[in-house]
Amino acid sequence: AQSVTQLGSHVSVSEGALVLLRCNYSSSVPPYLFWYVQYPNQGLQLLLKYTSAATLVKGINGFEAEFKKSETSFHLTKPSAHMSDAAEYFCAVIPGANSKLTFGKGITLSVRP
Amino acid sequence: DTEVTQTPKHLVMGMTNKKSLKCEQHMGHRAMYWYKQKAKKPPELMFVYSYEKLSINESVPSRFSPECPNSSLLNLHLHALQPEDSALYLCASSQGRVRTSGVNEQFFGPGTRLTVL
Repeated sequence: AQSVTQLGSHVSVSEGALVLLRCNYSSSVPPYLFWYVQYPNQGLQLLLKYTSAATLVKGINGFEAEFKKSETSFHLTKPSAHMSDAAEYFCAVIPGANSKLTFGKGITLSVRP
Repeated sequence: DTEVTQTPKHLVMGMTNKKSLKCEQHMGHRAMYWYKQKAKKPPELMFVYSYEKLSINESVPSRFSPECPNSSLLNLHLHALQPEDSALYLCASSQGRVRTSGVNEQFFGPGTRLTVL
């Protein structure tokens, strides 16, 4: 079965600090990978996606993620956290030949002033 | 227009009520989805429509009845719900058929917050 693993449930960083949210995937075929963000009481917004065109993917709001096949990882980073980044972040995968989207359990990002 | 809209934003209903959730998109997408999301959990897929035909039903109880009147609209009819059905119901859409290769990223609406009393 195809899946993603997001370790931990909560990450807290200071404003201006590096944000690193981890995601590991398991897939028997080259996957399509996504990061979604969900602000309180809202739907999911696509931050970025990996489609095999480039291993380093830049998204919205200053986020980026790097696909590392050898580590089966797709970690999300942002050089400098902003208070408005506080939200729930979901890593998700679509296996190569199936469009069913599978989510990780999500991780809550808190940003301290 | 790159938006998926959902109405109503909030819905409170009793266990004997019949209500409907509505979802609309004008991006020309031909796949539409219903998800259920409990607090602090990822969305769970309920139904997928591809080219207005139901293609996936994730063993959802019959008290949830989806309908796709046309390529832009998706409804979820609710009847005799239970309190445990209280959740955020999300609609999403994407291009193309469900089971083709290629990236069909899903665009999500803001959701309907459903409370069943």
